[in-house]
Amino acid sequence: DGGITQSPKYLFRKEGQNVTLSCEQNLNHDAMYWYRQDPGQGLRLIYYSQIVNDFQKGDIAEGYSVSREKKESFPLTVTSAQKNPTAFYLCASSFKKGQRSGANVLTFGAGSRLTVL
Amino acid sequence: DQQVKQNSPSLSVQEGRISILNCDYTNSMFDYFLWYKKHPAEGPTFLISISSIKDKNEDGRFTVFLNKSAKHLSLHIVPSQPGDSAVYFCAASVGSRAGSYQLTFGKGTKLSVIP
Repeated sequence: DGGITQSPKYLFRKEGQNVTLSCEQNLNHDAMYWYRQDPGQGLRLIYYSQIVNDFQKGDIAEGYSVSREKKESFPLTVTSAQKNPTAFYLCASSFKKGQRSGANVLTFGAGSRLTVL
Repeated sequence: DQQVKQNSPSLSVQEGRISILNCDYTNSMFDYFLWYKKHPAEGPTFLISISSIKDKNEDGRFTVFLNKSAKHLSLHIVPSQPGDSAVYFCAASVGSRAGSYQLTFGKGTKLSVIP
């Protein structure tokens, strides 16, 4: 079955450590995204990538880094510079603009919950 | 500045009745609107969308209404079922802007359908 796999589902980190969240998709989507969800908040965009080897900052990119070396993979690194990293992280993907008519429907993974101790 | 607003954090509805979830937006450039449903500790799943050139889109028990002049949209669920209990997010995108892939989300409304 096609979909998005995020790992790990739960992750604990000590302050000052970098952690990397994995996101893999087999939907043949060109675009991939990372969102963050905090309690009582909507989803806020961290980074997105339209094609391999290219990515853009979203609304809250500070303290995060990404890479897009393969179409299927878009890992997110939460660095020690991120002031409040405890959150639920969601990876998503979609077709590239122009490949499909209509709304840009994002398909989401199941999420990764990061807790900083 | 929140461009997509869901002013009701929660809503309780009796099973079988209609659920109406509301969403307001400020950006006139939005041309597609989407609704997502989310259960705790899971990713959101797409429900239904509407283009700004339409005022209604229906899919089974779900209908989305768009009032462009009021910059308001609503999701109607009829009849409501206990399995509909979840957080519903309204999202919007600017499709005409070149290279724009972003969806802007509201904060969500938690729907509880009471058996």
